[in-house]
Amino acid sequence: EVQLVESGGGLVQPGGSLRLSCAASGFIFSNNRMTWVRRAPGKGLEWVANIKQDGSEKRYADSVKGRFTISRDNDRNLLYLQMNSLGADDTAVYYCVRDDGDFDHWGQGTLVSVSS
Amino acid sequence: QSVLAQPRSLSGSPGQSVTISCTGYTSDVGSYNFVSWYQSHPGKAPKLIMSDVSKRPSGVPARFSGSKSGNTASLIISGLQAEDDAEYFCCSYAGNYTYVFGAGTTVTVL
Repeated sequence: EVQLVESGGGLVQPGGSLRLSCAASGFIFSNNRMTWVRRAPGKGLEWVANIKQDGSEKRYADSVKGRFTISRDNDRNLLYLQMNSLGADDTAVYYCVRDDGDFDHWGQGTLVSVSS
Repeated sequence: QSVLAQPRSLSGSPGQSVTISCTGYTSDVGSYNFVSWYQSHPGKAPKLIMSDVSKRPSGVPARFSGSKSGNTASLIISGLQAEDDAEYFCCSYAGNYTYVFGAGTTVTVL
């Protein structure tokens, strides 16, 4: 069974940083692109970033480009999202998602709250 | 990376049909047959219910179907059931391995 478990969310002050992790199991992690999607309170889903199977290519939404970095460790089946210069607009539940051409498996999400 | 347009809310009685539209641009919906749909219940992770415009993943009821014309994709729920009461999001490939989601549609089963 595919499982994606996010961690690392929490309360952070504006301008601060946070690193999210996603532990993957139940599939061959290195065979899939992986994606982060977020949902802000009262808003819709927003595609944030994705990373190629070997980590060699990364794509970002304009809203996070230059501030967020996606990475992966295929030996440990882990996906990461380093988030810097956080602002109130980054407050959201962040989902780790398996990318199989579409987003076929989602984690339960981890909440990031940016507030002073 | 503009959000795809969806109606904010729709409703129907059990057994009725509803159609959720998802309007994008020639740079996303209009250029690729990679539109997917996700069902979201409060407090739960979104669930893939349609891929590649009209392909139903295993386990998704046949009352869900999808189509596309030009820059607009549609999700049709035929024969609404109580458990279909949820929020629905479309998503389109936008080229260069980037994606864009719709704003979301709340479907209420009366």
